[in-house]
Amino acid sequence: EPEVTQTPSHQVTQMGQEVILRCVPISNHLYFYWYRQILGQKVEFLVSFYNNEISEKSEIFDDQFSVERPDGSNFTLKIRSTKLEDSAMYFCASRAGTSGGGGGEQFFGPGTRLTVL
Amino acid sequence: RKEVEQDPGPFNVPEGATVAFNCTYSNSASQSFFWYRQDCRKEPKLLMSVYSSGNEDGRFTAQLNRASQYISLLIRDSKLSDSATYLCVYNGGSQGNLIFGKGTKLSVKP
Repeated sequence: EPEVTQTPSHQVTQMGQEVILRCVPISNHLYFYWYRQILGQKVEFLVSFYNNEISEKSEIFDDQFSVERPDGSNFTLKIRSTKLEDSAMYFCASRAGTSGGGGGEQFFGPGTRLTVL
Repeated sequence: RKEVEQDPGPFNVPEGATVAFNCTYSNSASQSFFWYRQDCRKEPKLLMSVYSSGNEDGRFTAQLNRASQYISLLIRDSKLSDSATYLCVYNGGSQGNLIFGKGTKLSVKP
């Protein structure tokens, strides 16, 4: 069964450092997302990506964040200068998009746990 | 008002019990609603979509009341493997970004 994969599973970094979280969405999917979940909190939407550009972003997704789809398979989230409060689980998700209007199941990857020291 | 409100629980029930979770949402324009399941430190996984007419999938029944902005999930004949956090979710925009509740924790005991 196709699945979304993410690497690394756990990333530890020093405050102020740049990190890149990587995702490989399901191959025929068209819509890609990043979410984060701070420990003990709810899952929060960060950004959606379609047709090689950001289609929607939340207030959390400020100038420190960027996303890229550098080739036909990878989808990355970059945090330029990490803060302590960026420590969270980051989930990538993808959706086929065939049902239109934002519907259709989103498939989530296993997540990357980011720890900022 | 919070976008999605759920009773955090935990709901501790014996195997075989019937348990119901409720959720209220604030965005009356929302079109699509879901229940996701999340195991500890794992990714959310879709349990079922929720329709106004109500829908059933085996032991699980979901219901949507648009007038009251209320969603429910009923689990019959609980299994130990049902122990997880159940997330009430709706589609927050045309691009499909999901808005999650904080979840209701269920613990099914032998």
